[in-house]
Amino acid sequence: AQSVTQPDIHITVSEGASLELRCNYSYGATPYLFWYVQSPGQGLQLLLKYFSGDTLVQGIKGFEAEFKRSQSSFNLRKPSVHWSDAAEYFCAVGATGTASKLTFGTGTRLQVTL
Amino acid sequence: DAGVIQSPRHEVTEMGQEVTLRCKPISGHDYLFWYRQTMMRGLELLIYFNNNVPIDDSGMPEDRFSAKMPNASFSTLKIQPSEPRDSAVYFCASVQGRYGYTFGSGTRLTVV
Repeated sequence: AQSVTQPDIHITVSEGASLELRCNYSYGATPYLFWYVQSPGQGLQLLLKYFSGDTLVQGIKGFEAEFKRSQSSFNLRKPSVHWSDAAEYFCAVGATGTASKLTFGTGTRLQVTL
Repeated sequence: DAGVIQSPRHEVTEMGQEVTLRCKPISGHDYLFWYRQTMMRGLELLIYFNNNVPIDDSGMPEDRFSAKMPNASFSTLKIQPSEPRDSAVYFCASVQGRYGYTFGSGTRLTVV
């Protein structure tokens, strides 16, 4: 069974600083990988996804993530954080089967200081 | 497109009462997933349907939980009887194709 680890529960960065959120996965084959963002009181919104091909994936809102098979990682990055990026971020893994079943990490809460 | 509609947005109920959460998926989507979110356990998959048929309910915590999808435009998650430990945010997600998820805004359930 697949699993996801997000080692950082809470991260604080200053507005304009760079951001990297860590994600490690466990899966026997090449996984499908996702990053979602959740604002307070809202559902989850997809930031980006990796299925295959180029290991550097661009997403919405200026986010990108890099798939590193050797490290079983899919870290999320943004070069310059905006105050509106404060939210909770979830990494998720999907199995390469017919059912679109996602397994989520426990999330990282991002706080942005002005 | 109104997206995935969940109702109610908030529910407060007393222990022992029956609770019904509702979800209207996006038309044409062939999968529907129910997730539960708590501080302690994060997002957990409860059950999912494919073309209205329950495929995997192994995440349903107890027999007190049941879910139905009588047609392509409606699903319910029922808890009977409810307990304080069921307090959580319950999300419904409608899925098209390969991992084309759209989440609802969730129902925040508080059992007192």
